[in-house]
Amino acid sequence: KQEVTQIPAALSVPEGENLVLNCSFTDSAIYNLQWFRQDPGKGLTSLLLIQSSQREQTSGRLNASLDKSSGRSTLYIAASQPGDSATYLCAVNDYKLSFGAGTTVTVRA
Amino acid sequence: NAGVTQTPKFRVLKTGQSMTLLCAQDMNHEYMYWYRQDPGMGLRLIHYSVGEGTTAKGEVPDGYNVSRLKKQNFLLGLESAAPSQTSVYFCASVAGDETQYFGPGTRLLVL
Repeated sequence: KQEVTQIPAALSVPEGENLVLNCSFTDSAIYNLQWFRQDPGKGLTSLLLIQSSQREQTSGRLNASLDKSSGRSTLYIAASQPGDSATYLCAVNDYKLSFGAGTTVTVRA
Repeated sequence: NAGVTQTPKFRVLKTGQSMTLLCAQDMNHEYMYWYRQDPGMGLRLIHYSVGEGTTAKGEVPDGYNVSRLKKQNFLLGLESAAPSQTSVYFCASVAGDETQYFGPGTRLLVL
């Protein structure tokens, strides 16, 4: 069974600092990995999807990398802003999505 | 284009009562999913559908039933609600590039 872990569970940084969020998974036979953002009381919003053949994916200030062999993905958010405060979840697709529990980020103004 | 919508937004049930949660999408997606989200446990897949008229069990299907009579709608039913089914329920539909689009969720409290 695929196990997805996100460490740390919570993170607080000052505005302007770069964010580094980690996701690890146990079975490297995946189709893709997706990063989501969830605001309190809201649904999930897809941020980036990385196919298994890709090493990274970028969108604006967000960059996600994937290392299948080591079972790791990292989401980088450059120059963080208070509006980036949310919970970030990664999900691994190996015929179904398995989610991590998320990292809750607080960006202090 | 509303994306994925869920009805109702919030509901309180007594143990043993039944209810149906409705998910609707206007993106013509084939695949649709029902998840539940519980504190500290992440999202877990309840049931899913790969197209109109098809359904399949996910990770935690017990106590739930689903139907996909129309492509745009995916219904989740609780036949006899239990306190363990208190949760936030999310529906998602999947685009051709496998990006999942989520609805806003339904908060269910079973007393």
